[in-house]
Amino acid sequence: GAVVSQHPSWVICKSGTSVKIECRSLDFQATTMFWYRQFPKQSLMLMATSNEGSKATYEQGVEKDKFLINHASLTLSTLTVTSAHPEDSSFYICSARDPFGYSNQPQHFGDGTRLSIL
Amino acid sequence: AQSVTQPDIHITVSEGASLELRCNYSYGATPYLFWYVQSPGQGLQLLLKYFSGDTLVQGIKGFEAEFKRSQSSFNLRKPSVHWSDAAEYFCAVILTGGGNKLTFGTGTQLKVEL
Repeated sequence: GAVVSQHPSWVICKSGTSVKIECRSLDFQATTMFWYRQFPKQSLMLMATSNEGSKATYEQGVEKDKFLINHASLTLSTLTVTSAHPEDSSFYICSARDPFGYSNQPQHFGDGTRLSIL
Repeated sequence: AQSVTQPDIHITVSEGASLELRCNYSYGATPYLFWYVQSPGQGLQLLLKYFSGDTLVQGIKGFEAEFKRSQSSFNLRKPSVHWSDAAEYFCAVILTGGGNKLTFGTGTQLKVEL
């Protein structure tokens, strides 16, 4: 079946650095990918919709200059957390839109990235 | 306001007991409905979905869910819980005409006592 790979699975870095998270669709082309943020013991909150070849669509309250999204190919979207601070520490999950639509499942999820900013 | 509600934050059941996780939605039209499971530090796995038709849907791992339009509910059930079912469960919806954009409920943490 379709698989989405997310890398890295865990990253620790110093405050002020930028961190890039990759999301790859391994066996299908994903024109649309999604980035979520999940705080401990809370639900997934959609941050942005990543569209191949165009600008990402950010949800209300998400700083687009803080969370840079690039979807340069049909199999790769990246999320860069710029000048990260401790409050950016969270679990980030990506997903890719199912190319066959709802008949299968709406999105295929990566395994998430645990980001810890010291 | 439009929302997905999971009233139970935590549920503890004994292994072998039955399980029901509640989900209610408040939208003008019936959305597409989903249940996902998340193990600690992992992504999400789809358990089952409802689009239309038979209101009782079967999913993986022995789970089923029943859509009740009159109650705006889509509760998840399992007749006999296994210790490996301990996880976080999320109800989610996609609004008709809303693309693939998922809106998640707040989640229910399931603990299984041996």
